[in-house]
Amino acid sequence: DAKTTQPNSMESNEEEPVHLPCNHSTISGTDYIHWYRQLPSQGPEYVIHGLTSNVNNRMASLAIAEDRKSSTLILHRATLRDAAVYYCILRDGGRGGNNRKLIWGLGTSLAVNP
Amino acid sequence: GAVVSQHPSRVICKSGTSVKIECRSLDFQATTMFWYRQFPKQSLMLMATSNEGSKATYEQGVEKDKFLINHASLTLSTLTVTSAHPEDSSFYICSARDPLRAPHHGYTFGSGTRLTVV
Repeated sequence: DAKTTQPNSMESNEEEPVHLPCNHSTISGTDYIHWYRQLPSQGPEYVIHGLTSNVNNRMASLAIAEDRKSSTLILHRATLRDAAVYYCILRDGGRGGNNRKLIWGLGTSLAVNP
Repeated sequence: GAVVSQHPSRVICKSGTSVKIECRSLDFQATTMFWYRQFPKQSLMLMATSNEGSKATYEQGVEKDKFLINHASLTLSTLTVTSAHPEDSSFYICSARDPLRAPHHGYTFGSGTRLTVV
Protein backbone atom coordinates (compact mmCIF):
# COMPACT_ATOMS: atom_id res chain seq x y z
CA ASP A 1 0.00 0.00 0.00
CA ALA A 2 1.20 3.48 -0.83
CA LYS A 3 2.32 5.58 2.12
CA THR A 4 1.00 8.99 3.16
CA THR A 5 2.72 11.72 5.14
CA GLN A 6 0.88 14.20 7.33
CA PRO A 7 1.97 16.78 9.90
CA ASN A 8 1.67 15.49 13.44
CA SER A 9 -0.45 18.36 14.65
CA MET A 10 -2.13 21.57 13.56
CA GLU A 11 -4.00 24.31 15.31
CA SER A 12 -6.87 26.47 14.17
CA ASN A 13 -9.24 29.06 15.53
CA GLU A 14 -12.95 28.52 15.65
CA GLU A 15 -14.89 29.80 12.62
CA GLU A 16 -11.73 29.93 10.49
CA PRO A 17 -10.88 27.63 7.56
CA VAL A 18 -8.45 24.77 8.09
CA HIS A 19 -6.27 23.21 5.42
CA LEU A 20 -4.92 19.78 6.35
CA PRO A 21 -2.18 18.61 3.96
CA CYS A 22 -1.25 15.09 2.95
CA ASN A 23 1.62 13.92 0.76
CA HIS A 24 1.34 10.69 -1.17
CA SER A 25 4.12 10.81 -3.73
CA THR A 26 3.98 7.06 -4.48
CA ILE A 27 0.27 7.00 -5.26
CA SER A 28 -0.73 4.68 -8.08
CA GLY A 29 -3.31 5.27 -10.77
CA THR A 30 -6.04 3.20 -9.08
CA ASP A 31 -5.55 4.57 -5.55
CA TYR A 32 -8.39 6.59 -4.12
CA ILE A 33 -7.57 9.22 -1.50
CA HIS A 34 -9.65 8.74 1.62
CA TRP A 35 -9.92 10.95 4.68
CA TYR A 36 -11.20 9.79 8.02
CA ARG A 37 -11.28 11.53 11.36
CA GLN A 38 -11.33 10.17 14.87
CA LEU A 39 -12.79 12.12 17.74
CA PRO A 40 -11.50 11.31 21.22
CA SER A 41 -12.67 7.89 22.44
CA GLN A 42 -14.61 7.25 19.24
CA GLY A 43 -14.17 5.02 16.24
CA PRO A 44 -13.01 6.71 13.02
CA GLU A 45 -15.53 8.50 10.88
CA TYR A 46 -15.44 8.71 7.09
CA VAL A 47 -15.02 12.29 5.88
CA ILE A 48 -14.49 12.32 2.14
CA HIS A 49 -12.72 10.58 -0.71
CA GLY A 50 -11.62 11.36 -4.22
CA LEU A 51 -9.63 10.11 -7.18
CA THR A 52 -8.60 13.01 -9.42
CA SER A 53 -11.10 15.82 -9.21
CA ASN A 54 -11.77 18.05 -6.24
CA VAL A 55 -14.68 16.89 -4.13
CA ASN A 56 -17.15 18.63 -1.86
CA ASN A 57 -19.59 17.23 0.67
CA ARG A 58 -21.40 18.52 3.71
CA MET A 59 -18.42 17.88 5.96
CA ALA A 60 -15.46 19.11 3.96
CA SER A 61 -13.77 19.68 0.63
CA LEU A 62 -10.92 17.68 -0.84
CA ALA A 63 -8.45 19.40 -3.12
CA ILE A 64 -6.26 17.01 -5.12
CA ALA A 65 -3.09 18.17 -6.81
CA GLU A 66 -2.92 17.77 -10.56
CA ASP A 67 -0.14 15.15 -10.27
CA ARG A 68 -2.09 13.48 -7.42
CA LYS A 69 1.00 13.39 -5.24
CA SER A 70 -0.63 15.49 -2.58
CA SER A 71 -4.05 16.48 -1.36
CA THR A 72 -5.59 18.90 1.11
CA LEU A 73 -8.62 18.42 3.28
CA ILE A 74 -10.41 21.71 3.78
CA LEU A 75 -12.73 22.44 6.66
CA HIS A 76 -14.37 25.68 5.66
CA ARG A 77 -15.30 26.90 9.14
CA ALA A 78 -13.76 24.99 12.00
CA THR A 79 -15.85 24.33 15.06
CA LEU A 80 -14.82 22.95 18.43
CA ARG A 81 -16.41 19.65 17.41
CA ASP A 82 -13.90 19.36 14.57
CA ALA A 83 -11.07 18.78 17.04
CA ALA A 84 -9.94 15.27 16.13
CA VAL A 85 -7.19 13.24 14.52
CA TYR A 86 -7.48 13.36 10.74
CA TYR A 87 -6.15 10.44 8.72
CA CYS A 88 -5.28 10.51 5.04
CA ILE A 89 -5.30 6.99 3.56
CA LEU A 90 -4.87 5.58 0.09
CA ARG A 91 -7.14 2.76 -0.92
CA ASP A 92 -6.81 0.78 -4.12
CA GLY A 93 -10.13 1.02 -5.90
CA GLY A 94 -9.33 -1.80 -8.25
CA ARG A 95 -8.08 -4.81 -6.36
CA GLY A 96 -9.20 -6.73 -3.30
CA GLY A 97 -12.80 -5.58 -3.02
CA ASN A 98 -14.09 -5.80 0.50
CA ASN A 99 -10.92 -7.38 1.83
CA ARG A 100 -8.72 -4.45 0.99
CA LYS A 101 -7.00 -3.40 4.20
CA LEU A 102 -6.55 0.19 5.24
CA ILE A 103 -3.07 1.16 6.40
CA TRP A 104 -3.27 3.78 9.14
CA GLY A 105 -0.58 6.31 9.96
CA LEU A 106 -0.59 8.62 12.96
CA GLY A 107 -2.64 11.29 11.23
CA THR A 108 -2.83 14.98 12.08
CA SER A 109 -4.15 15.98 15.47
CA LEU A 110 -6.21 19.13 14.95
CA ALA A 111 -6.78 21.46 17.87
CA VAL A 112 -9.46 24.14 17.53
CA ASN A 113 -9.20 27.19 19.74
CA PRO A 114 -12.36 28.99 20.84
CA GLY B 1 -26.94 4.43 5.70
CA ALA B 2 -24.11 1.97 6.47
CA VAL B 3 -24.30 2.02 10.26
CA VAL B 4 -22.11 -0.21 12.40
CA SER B 5 -23.04 -0.77 16.03
CA GLN B 6 -20.45 -1.97 18.53
CA HIS B 7 -21.20 -3.19 22.03
CA PRO B 8 -20.24 -2.76 24.81
CA SER B 9 -18.68 0.67 24.65
CA ARG B 10 -16.75 0.11 27.84
CA VAL B 11 -15.92 -2.99 29.86
CA ILE B 12 -13.79 -3.74 32.89
CA CYS B 13 -12.88 -7.34 33.58
CA LYS B 14 -10.67 -9.29 35.91
CA SER B 15 -7.43 -10.77 34.73
CA GLY B 16 -7.94 -14.32 33.46
CA THR B 17 -11.54 -13.88 32.36
CA SER B 18 -12.91 -13.62 28.82
CA VAL B 19 -14.69 -10.70 27.24
CA LYS B 20 -16.89 -10.71 24.14
CA ILE B 21 -17.30 -7.65 21.92
CA GLU B 22 -20.07 -7.51 19.33
CA CYS B 23 -20.09 -5.68 16.05
CA ARG B 24 -23.31 -5.40 14.04
CA SER B 25 -24.04 -3.91 10.66
CA LEU B 26 -27.49 -2.40 11.12
CA ASP B 27 -28.63 -1.53 7.63
CA PHE B 28 -26.48 -3.61 5.34
CA GLN B 29 -25.03 -7.07 5.10
CA ALA B 30 -21.30 -7.25 5.71
CA THR B 31 -19.50 -10.28 4.33
CA THR B 32 -16.28 -8.84 5.68
CA MET B 33 -15.57 -7.01 8.91
CA PHE B 34 -12.29 -5.78 10.31
CA TRP B 35 -11.11 -5.72 13.91
CA TYR B 36 -8.61 -3.12 15.08
CA ARG B 37 -6.82 -2.37 18.31
CA GLN B 38 -5.62 1.06 19.30
CA PHE B 39 -3.33 1.91 22.21
CA PRO B 40 -3.24 5.45 23.64
CA LYS B 41 -1.67 8.04 21.32
CA GLN B 42 -1.14 5.39 18.67
CA SER B 43 -2.78 4.62 15.37
CA LEU B 44 -5.16 1.82 14.55
CA MET B 45 -3.57 -1.59 14.19
CA LEU B 46 -5.46 -4.17 12.19
CA MET B 47 -5.83 -7.40 14.16
CA ALA B 48 -7.86 -9.56 11.83
CA THR B 49 -10.24 -9.68 8.92
CA SER B 50 -13.48 -11.45 9.72
CA ASN B 51 -15.18 -13.32 6.89
CA GLU B 52 -18.77 -14.50 7.13
CA GLY B 53 -19.01 -18.26 7.21
CA SER B 54 -15.28 -18.88 7.22
CA LYS B 55 -12.23 -18.50 9.39
CA ALA B 56 -10.85 -15.10 10.17
CA THR B 57 -7.55 -13.96 8.72
CA TYR B 58 -5.22 -12.76 11.45
CA GLU B 59 -2.42 -10.26 11.04
CA GLN B 60 1.11 -11.27 11.88
CA GLY B 61 1.74 -11.30 15.61
CA VAL B 62 -1.91 -11.58 16.63
CA GLU B 63 -2.70 -14.76 18.55
CA LYS B 64 -5.73 -16.42 17.01
CA ASP B 65 -6.34 -18.54 20.11
CA LYS B 66 -6.41 -15.49 22.31
CA PHE B 67 -8.53 -13.27 20.09
CA LEU B 68 -11.37 -15.47 18.88
CA ILE B 69 -13.42 -14.10 16.01
CA ASN B 70 -16.79 -15.43 14.97
CA HIS B 71 -18.67 -14.09 11.96
CA ALA B 72 -21.65 -16.39 11.94
CA SER B 73 -24.08 -14.11 10.13
CA LEU B 74 -23.97 -11.34 7.56
CA THR B 75 -24.72 -8.74 10.22
CA LEU B 76 -22.76 -9.89 13.26
CA SER B 77 -19.12 -10.45 14.07
CA THR B 78 -17.82 -11.04 17.57
CA LEU B 79 -14.35 -10.70 19.06
CA THR B 80 -13.66 -12.64 22.26
CA VAL B 81 -10.57 -11.76 24.25
CA THR B 82 -9.79 -14.95 26.13
CA SER B 83 -7.85 -15.14 29.38
CA ALA B 84 -7.47 -11.39 29.37
CA HIS B 85 -4.39 -9.78 30.91
CA PRO B 86 -3.70 -6.13 31.78
CA GLU B 87 -1.62 -5.76 28.60
CA ASP B 88 -4.78 -6.52 26.59
CA SER B 89 -6.29 -3.29 27.88
CA SER B 90 -6.90 -1.21 24.79
CA PHE B 91 -9.49 0.37 22.52
CA TYR B 92 -10.98 -2.20 20.16
CA ILE B 93 -12.75 -1.04 17.01
CA CYS B 94 -14.62 -2.91 14.32
CA SER B 95 -15.23 -1.80 10.77
CA ALA B 96 -17.20 -2.91 7.74
CA ARG B 97 -18.27 -1.66 4.38
CA ASP B 98 -21.44 -2.13 2.42
CA PRO B 99 -20.57 -4.51 -0.44
CA LEU B 100 -23.34 -2.99 -2.55
CA ARG B 101 -21.38 0.25 -2.69
CA ALA B 102 -18.66 0.75 -5.26
CA PRO B 103 -15.28 -0.66 -4.18
CA HIS B 104 -13.74 2.76 -3.74
CA HIS B 105 -16.26 3.90 -1.14
CA GLY B 106 -15.26 4.30 2.48
CA TYR B 107 -15.57 2.05 5.48
CA THR B 108 -17.91 2.48 8.43
CA PHE B 109 -16.60 2.05 11.94
CA GLY B 110 -18.13 1.09 15.24
CA SER B 111 -17.84 3.48 18.15
CA GLY B 112 -15.21 1.31 19.79
CA THR B 113 -14.91 -0.69 23.01
CA ARG B 114 -12.65 0.44 25.80
CA LEU B 115 -11.38 -2.70 27.52
CA THR B 116 -9.70 -2.43 30.90
CA VAL B 117 -8.30 -5.57 32.48
CA VAL B 118 -7.63 -5.30 36.20
